[in-house]
Amino acid sequence: DSGVTQTPKHLITATGQRVTLRCSPRSGDLSVYWYQQSLDQGLQFLIQYYNGEERAKGNILERFSAQQFPDLHSELNLSSLELGDSALYFCASSGIPEASGDAYQETQYFGPGTRLLVL
Amino acid sequence: GENVEQHPSTLSVQEGDSAVIKCTYSDSASNYFPWYKQELGKRPQLIIDIRSNVGEKKDQRIAVTLNKTAKHFSLHITETQPEDSAVYFCAASAGNTPLVFGKGTRLSVIA
Repeated sequence: DSGVTQTPKHLITATGQRVTLRCSPRSGDLSVYWYQQSLDQGLQFLIQYYNGEERAKGNILERFSAQQFPDLHSELNLSSLELGDSALYFCASSGIPEASGDAYQETQYFGPGTRLLVL
Repeated sequence: GENVEQHPSTLSVQEGDSAVIKCTYSDSASNYFPWYKQELGKRPQLIIDIRSNVGEKKDQRIAVTLNKTAKHFSLHITETQPEDSAVYFCAASAGNTPLVFGKGTRLSVIA
C-alpha cells in the first residue's frame, strides 16, 4: 500500500457526461500528479499541483480540469466524456524537494487508480 | 521537452536468466531516473531509482546503470522468477519537472 488513495475504483458512464475522480496523497506530501493510462499504453502526464497551486501541465484536454484543496486532496474533473476517454486514471504524490544542490524530482508514489469506462 | 525511448517493448526470458531493459533520454539536464513495475490492473510501483550523481545502484536482484554521456540508463534483473513478470516503465525528469515515462516493456518469465 503506497498510502495514496483514490476513489472511486471503477466508474461507468455515458458519452457527454461529467465525472469527478478523487485522490488523497500520502500524509505530508504536497505534490499531486494525475496520469492517464489507456489500454496497453504508457503513463501520460496530465497535470501537477503543489500545495494548492498548479505547478505543471502536460497533455491535458480542455475538457479536463483539476484542483487541489487546502487539505491537499485533489480532484480531476472530466467533462463532455467521449469513448476515447476510457482509461485508467492514476494519481501520484511526492514530498517536498530537498533544498540542496541540484534540485531533483522526489519519488512519486501511485494510488490504485480509477478505471473509467465511457459507453 | 524530454523524450524517453524504451526497448524492447516485449521481452521473454527463461526462469533464472537475466533480463535487461534499456532507455534513452533526450534532455541532458535530466537527473532523476526511476523504474516502475506494474502488474496487470495494479498501480505502478517504484522498484529502484538512480540520480545523476551515481553511475550504478543495486538492490538484491535488481540493478540500474546510468551513462550520462550517452544519455541512457538500463534495468538489470538477475535470476528472474515468474513473479517478475509485469510491465516495467522507465522515466526521467530534469530538476523538479514532472516525470516523462517510456512506453513500457512487457516482461514474461517462463518457468
